[in-house]
Amino acid sequence: NAGVTQTPKFQVLKTGQSMTLQCAQDMNHEYMSWYRQDPGMGLRLIHYSVGAGITDQGEVPNGYNVSRSTTEDFPLRLLSAAPSQTSVYFCASRPARTGRGNTGELFFGEGSRLTVL
Amino acid sequence: LAKTTQPISMDSYEGQEVNITCSHNNIATNDYITWYQQFPSQGPRFIIQGYKTKVTNEVASLFIPADRKSSTLSLPRVSLSDTAVYYCLVALTRKDSNYQLIWGAGTKLIIKP
Repeated sequence: NAGVTQTPKFQVLKTGQSMTLQCAQDMNHEYMSWYRQDPGMGLRLIHYSVGAGITDQGEVPNGYNVSRSTTEDFPLRLLSAAPSQTSVYFCASRPARTGRGNTGELFFGEGSRLTVL
Repeated sequence: LAKTTQPISMDSYEGQEVNITCSHNNIATNDYITWYQQFPSQGPRFIIQGYKTKVTNEVASLFIPADRKSSTLSLPRVSLSDTAVYYCLVALTRKDSNYQLIWGAGTKLIIKP
């Protein structure tokens, strides 16, 4: 099983350039999400989706767009990259929530390291 | 405002039991606490989850006291391969029946020979 696959693993951009980080999962998970991870700050939620056609903002959504046209794919778009977006980005998925307050197990990809010059 | 707090780093030795505590205020009765492990250049990996008393699986135990203001991840008889960053995650139930995920900043655990 591939699980959660992120591409590319590494990317260098210049300020103002645009790009899309790809995320695909083959576990038929309804919930998908994007996090960024910066030193000393843990994981911060950017956007998430509870199913195809449904997306919502997380803690740090500014500068990022998402869409969810299929259950499998959840791309993250940077329309005009800024140095502050230099980070490691993780995509995570899980099945539908199993009960009140129960997050279930999040399955993470291996990350995409983005540098914006 | 809900927040999770955990130590920045810890050291221990092979064969010892390691306990990592996470402080979390303002959590409701059914709000779950989850712990993840992360190795360098990898995504976090689920370790254990619970919402009250004690949960045990093949790799760890999770202790949650009655006041639920903290939780402790216990790793029995650690080895060098347990060197990693450990994250505490609390899922806070919101009024609209969805929940808000509150991640700790991570505890870097170093196991020495």
